[in-house]
Amino acid sequence: AQSVTQPDIHITVSEGASLELRCNYSYGATPYLFWYVQSPGQGLQLLLKYFSGDTLVQGIKGFEAEFKRSQSSFNLRKPSVHWSDAAEYFCAVGSSNDYKLSFGAGTTVTVRA
Amino acid sequence: EAGVAQSPRYKIIEKRQSVAFWCNPISGHATLYWYQQILGQGPKLLIQFQNNGVVDDSQLPKDRFSAERLKGVDSTLKIQPAKLEDSAVYLCASSSGEYYEQYFGPGTRLTVT
Repeated sequence: AQSVTQPDIHITVSEGASLELRCNYSYGATPYLFWYVQSPGQGLQLLLKYFSGDTLVQGIKGFEAEFKRSQSSFNLRKPSVHWSDAAEYFCAVGSSNDYKLSFGAGTTVTVRA
Repeated sequence: EAGVAQSPRYKIIEKRQSVAFWCNPISGHATLYWYQQILGQGPKLLIQFQNNGVVDDSQLPKDRFSAERLKGVDSTLKIQPAKLEDSAVYLCASSSGEYYEQYFGPGTRLTVT
């Protein structure tokens, strides 16, 4: 069965600074990987996804993620954060034979002025 | 394009009472999911529908939870009777199956007292 670990529960970053959120997955075959963002009181919004090909994936809102098979990782990055990036971020892995996702526990990002 | 709609947005009930949540997926999306998101955790899949048939309900506590999807469109999730540990956000998501992307509604926050 697939699983996801997000090692950081909470990260605080200054506005304008760079951000990196870690994600490690466990899956026997080629994974489908996703990053979602959840603002307070909102549902989850897809930031980006990886299925195959280029291991550096660009998403919305200036985010990118890099798939590293050797490390079973799919870390999310943003070069310069904005106050509006304060939210909870979830990494998820999907299997190739069904349409189910397994989510990590999430990382809460706080942006300080 | 209208997103996934859910109602109500908030619900407070006493333990042993019953409650129902409604979800209207994106038009044309054949797959519908219900997730439970407990505070501090990632979403956990409760049930997955393909059109009006159940694909996976292995994580649904069937002694108290039930779900249906009439005519392959709207869906309702019911809890009867509710327990304190059912306090959570219930998220509905839908997918066309393309690229495994799931689109989430805003969720229903349930508080059981």
